[in-house]
Amino acid sequence: DADVTQTPRNRITKTGKRIMLECSQTKGHDRMYWYRQDPGLGLQLIYYSFDVKDINKGEISDGYSVSRQAQAKFSLSLESAIPNQTALYFCATSEAGGTGELFFGEGSRLTVL
Amino acid sequence: AQKVTQAQTEISVVEKEDVTLDCVYETRDTTYYLFWYKQPPSGELVFLIRRNSFDEQNEISGRYSWNFQKSTSSFNFTITASQVVDSAVYFCALRTMGGTTGTASKLTFGTGTRLQVTL
Repeated sequence: DADVTQTPRNRITKTGKRIMLECSQTKGHDRMYWYRQDPGLGLQLIYYSFDVKDINKGEISDGYSVSRQAQAKFSLSLESAIPNQTALYFCATSEAGGTGELFFGEGSRLTVL
Repeated sequence: AQKVTQAQTEISVVEKEDVTLDCVYETRDTTYYLFWYKQPPSGELVFLIRRNSFDEQNEISGRYSWNFQKSTSSFNFTITASQVVDSAVYFCALRTMGGTTGTASKLTFGTGTRLQVTL
């Protein structure tokens, strides 16, 4: 089983719908991240959390919210999805105080029609 | 602010050719880490290498090698004798150690270089 698991892996939804992407990890890392990948733009940070009580906005947080339910779980929500949120979303983890190396989930492909 | 530039958007080579992927970074911090990740067509992101700013030794791992030069703020990645399985998007990333708590621990990614290796 993967150390960082994302669900769903693929989702097609309609404009205005609420969507939640879930991430769970078995690596025991304190730090968790949500990134968005668009073609030609690399990865952009949406939100990050350094522990259960810590939530921080990244570069492109507008239109998104997150919840850190436990050390191992970090979910990303789109309250009212819009077509330009169509993208590949990655969850990642890292050790506190480590070298910053990220361990990624397999990605969740979201299409908003 | 920190920035990573991968000027090569796409590269196409024929199998067995050598290919170098360029990465140029910007940071004012003296302590930082550089990374390369591979994203094959299946979509996952695979960690390849980490290098800290105090270690300018080049590294070789099989057909892969990395050339870190602080004088030019570059961390280039060379694949020797490329193979079709090397076809992927490759990302360079930077993590600085300075700044306020939290911001220092994020990775800044380049926009990636798509490598296509054909027979």
